[in-house]
Amino acid sequence: GDSVTQMEGPVTLSEEAFLTINCTYTATGYPSLFWYVQYPGEGLQLLLKATKADDKGSNKGFEATYRKETTSFHLEKGSVQVSDSAVYFCALIVLRNQGGKLIFGQGTELSVKP
Amino acid sequence: NAGVMQNPRHLVRRRGQEARLRCSPMKGHSHVYWYRQLPEEGLKFMVYLQKENIIDESGMPKERFSAEFPKEGPSILRIQQVVRGDSAAYFCASSLREGRVDYGYTFGSGTRLTVV
Repeated sequence: GDSVTQMEGPVTLSEEAFLTINCTYTATGYPSLFWYVQYPGEGLQLLLKATKADDKGSNKGFEATYRKETTSFHLEKGSVQVSDSAVYFCALIVLRNQGGKLIFGQGTELSVKP
Repeated sequence: NAGVMQNPRHLVRRRGQEARLRCSPMKGHSHVYWYRQLPEEGLKFMVYLQKENIIDESGMPKERFSAEFPKEGPSILRIQQVVRGDSAAYFCASSLREGRVDYGYTFGSGTRLTVV
């Protein structure tokens, strides 16, 4: 079945450090890929997305490139801020006869220290 | 232009009571999805509904849980005879239509259910 695997957290970084959160996927089909962010006590917000191979999604300084050859969609940011502290979820969706449903990874908690 | 509205934000129930969680999708969205987030875990798909139809309920527990999305009004996730293991955050999401998956979903802020 379809699945998403993320690197385990928590990830603790100092402000202005470089961030990478690894995400790999398995899908029988051609998925669209997403990163969602969840701030404490809140719902999920779409951070960025990519719908085909080699697409790069970007938003708020975060980037991720859809790599079909390695089935990966790693999240990166060049310089993190304290306000980036949150839980990040990688997700995929594949359209089938019954429509599509988002499949999430387990989430990676990021903590940025000043 | 309200987003996905869920209520209540917090719900406390005693064991054996019923919990009813409501979700109003974004205006114009006809697809609703329910997810459950257990403590320290990711989001698990529960059910996918369109107006008056359950499309995919492969993630719903076989007993005590039901969902509906009537022609008029919000989608309802109903949990009968709650147990402590039902304590979780329940999130609703909506989408415009299944073909627009490139937009992902829009999530509500969730209902945090605590069973005491």
